[in-house]
Amino acid sequence: GAVVSQHPSWVICKSGTSVKIECRSLDFQATTMFWYRQFPKQSLMLMATSNEGSKATYEQGVEKDKFLINHASLTLSTLTVTSAHPEDSSFYICSARVWDRGLGYGYTFGSGTRLTVV
Amino acid sequence: AQSVAQPEDQVNVAEGNPLTVKCTYSVSGNPYLFWYVQYPNRGLQFLLKYITGDNLVKGSYGFEAEFNKSQTSFHLKKPSALVSDSALYFCAVRAYSNDYKLSFGAGTTVTVRA
Repeated sequence: GAVVSQHPSWVICKSGTSVKIECRSLDFQATTMFWYRQFPKQSLMLMATSNEGSKATYEQGVEKDKFLINHASLTLSTLTVTSAHPEDSSFYICSARVWDRGLGYGYTFGSGTRLTVV
Repeated sequence: AQSVAQPEDQVNVAEGNPLTVKCTYSVSGNPYLFWYVQYPNRGLQFLLKYITGDNLVKGSYGFEAEFNKSQTSFHLKKPSALVSDSALYFCAVRAYSNDYKLSFGAGTTVTVRA
């Protein structure tokens, strides 16, 4: 099935630095990628939708300048948390729309990135 | 607007007993409904979905869900739960639209005791 590879799985960074999270579609072309943020024992909050070759669409309340999303190719989307602060510590997950021969359209998710800002 | 409600934060069952995780939705038009399972510090794994057709949907790992349009529900069920089914379960919905965005419920933690 369609796989999205997300790296790193976890990262610890110092306050004020930037962190880049990558999501690669391994065996399909991801024209649309969704980026979510999840707090402990809570639901997924959609941060932004990225389309290959165009600017990302951010959800209300999400800071565009802090969470930079790039979708330069059909197999790679990145989320950069700029000038990270402890309140940015969270679990970040990417997701892509996929077509599966047996199931039709659906969504596949990366394994997530645990970001801790100290 | 679209939304999902999972009324139970936690569901506890004994191994071998039936498992039900509840989900109700609100959406304009016909819904696309999904169930996902999440293990600690992992992404979401697809269990099943309803797009159209038979109201009873069978999915992975012995799970099934029944679409009930009149009650706007899509409850997840498993006839005989396993300890390994202990995880966080999410119901999600999207409307037929151009943005393909999913809305997730708050999640239900399932604990299956041996």
